Amino acid sequence: GEDVEQSLFLSVREGDSSVINCTYTDSSSTYLYWYKQEPGAGLQLLTYIFSNMDMKQDQRLTVLLNKKDKHLSLRIADTQTGDSAIYFCAEMRGGDMRFGAGTRLTVKP
Amino acid sequence: SQTIHQWPATLVQPVGSPLSLECTVEGTSNPNLYWYRQAAGRGLQLLFYSVGIGQISSEVPQNLSASRPQDRQFILSSKKLLLSDSGFYLCAWSGGTGGSYEQYFGPGTRLTVT
Repeated sequence: GEDVEQSLFLSVREGDSSVINCTYTDSSSTYLYWYKQEPGAGLQLLTYIFSNMDMKQDQRLTVLLNKKDKHLSLRIADTQTGDSAIYFCAEMRGGDMRFGAGTRLTVKP
Repeated sequence: SQTIHQWPATLVQPVGSPLSLECTVEGTSNPNLYWYRQAAGRGLQLLFYSVGIGQISSEVPQNLSASRPQDRQFILSSKKLLLSDSGFYLCAWSGGTGGSYEQYFGPGTRLTVT
């Protein structure tokens, strides 16, 4: 497809793990990114992964990359209410950064 | 460290009025600069990007324009706003030395056209 695709909504309980999935478009994309947007704010870069990596871990965040399926996921361990936000997946494709529509994560106490 | 500023934070303008949104970056030189629009509940739409002073590329034809009068200043303008111009406008910069091309975003401007 032409678009970076993400599920629009995800709801989890506080303390559980969250997994946000993304399908990107171009197997030759060099970098893939995860951004977080809190209400009324700009996008905050959470992490990125180079396409020759399968996994990247940074504290509670784990990024998994499946190049064959063009699938990217973001796992948040021990999800907290402060993690409630919209999470955007993005790919660097041909010099342009292309964003998904965002996944709204709701964390219930 | 680098910071990016946008103003105003919120703006309410009538249809047909002009628009000027400003974005400035500190702590870096010769950044790539971007304007995005985010409609309510939707993803980001790239409007303009600039690789240098006076160099503007438009991604979507519309009644908006952009200018880059200085290296670290990016301005989004319109001569006559439409209702459909309402949205959340985000400025971003890139150009880190690591080659990972990540973009860093400003706090955004919420524009409501009435």
